[in-house]
Amino acid sequence: DADVTQTPRNRITKTGKRIMLECSQTKGHDRMYWYRQDPGLGLRLIYYSFDVKDINKGEISDGYSVSRQAQAKFSLSLESAIPNQTALYFCATSDQGLPQHFGDGTRLSIL
Amino acid sequence: GENVEQHPSTLSVQEGDSAVIKCTYSDSASNYFPWYKQELGKRPQLIIDIRSNVGEKKDQRIAVTLNKTAKHFSLHITETQPEDSAVYFCACNHNFGNEKLTFGTGTRLTIIP
Repeated sequence: DADVTQTPRNRITKTGKRIMLECSQTKGHDRMYWYRQDPGLGLRLIYYSFDVKDINKGEISDGYSVSRQAQAKFSLSLESAIPNQTALYFCATSDQGLPQHFGDGTRLSIL
Repeated sequence: GENVEQHPSTLSVQEGDSAVIKCTYSDSASNYFPWYKQELGKRPQLIIDIRSNVGEKKDQRIAVTLNKTAKHFSLHITETQPEDSAVYFCACNHNFGNEKLTFGTGTRLTIIP
C-alpha cells in the first residue's frame, strides 16, 4: 500500500543532531499520526493531527515536534536526537470513523 | 488515559490448531477495537475490527469477540497456517472517537509446521 509514504526508510545519525522524518499520503484522509515502536512495548502515540490546523500531543511527545504542512503531509522532528530515541517510527492516516492505515516505517538509529 | 493489556506475549501453535489472543482495556467508554497483524519488517495491517454494538465478528478463519461487561476482547484464528506467523496487536480507541488508539504490547504468534 503506497498510499502512505515515509521518508527516509532508514537513517543513522549521531547524538545531538536534528532529524526530520516525513510522511505523505494520497488517501485524502484528514487525520494523521506518528507512532514509535520499540520491542515489547507495542506502538506508542507521539503526536496526532485531525486537520491542518490541529496538532495534539500523544503519550510520549517529549523530545519530539511535528508540523502539518498540508492535508497530505505530516513531519516529525527530533530537535536534538538522543540514543534512547532509536526506534522504528510509523506514520498512519485515517478518516473519521475509519481504521488507521500505516506507512512502511522509518528505522532510526542514533549513535 | 486508556490502558490496554495483551496476553500472551508469545504463542506457538501447531499448524491447523486454533490460536486465541486476549486483550483487556480500562476505559468503559471505548467503542472501537481493531486488530493489526505485523509481519517481520512490514507495516502493521488491519485484519479485523469490531465496534461496541456488536459482540462478535467473523471473517473467514479470523474472528473477534467482545465482552463489554468484563472489558475484554479476543482474536481467534482457526485452522492456522504458516503465513499466520506474525506479531498481532490489539487496540482500542479513546472515548471521544474512533481515531485515537491505544495499542497493546503485541503477541508474537508462531505456527509450527
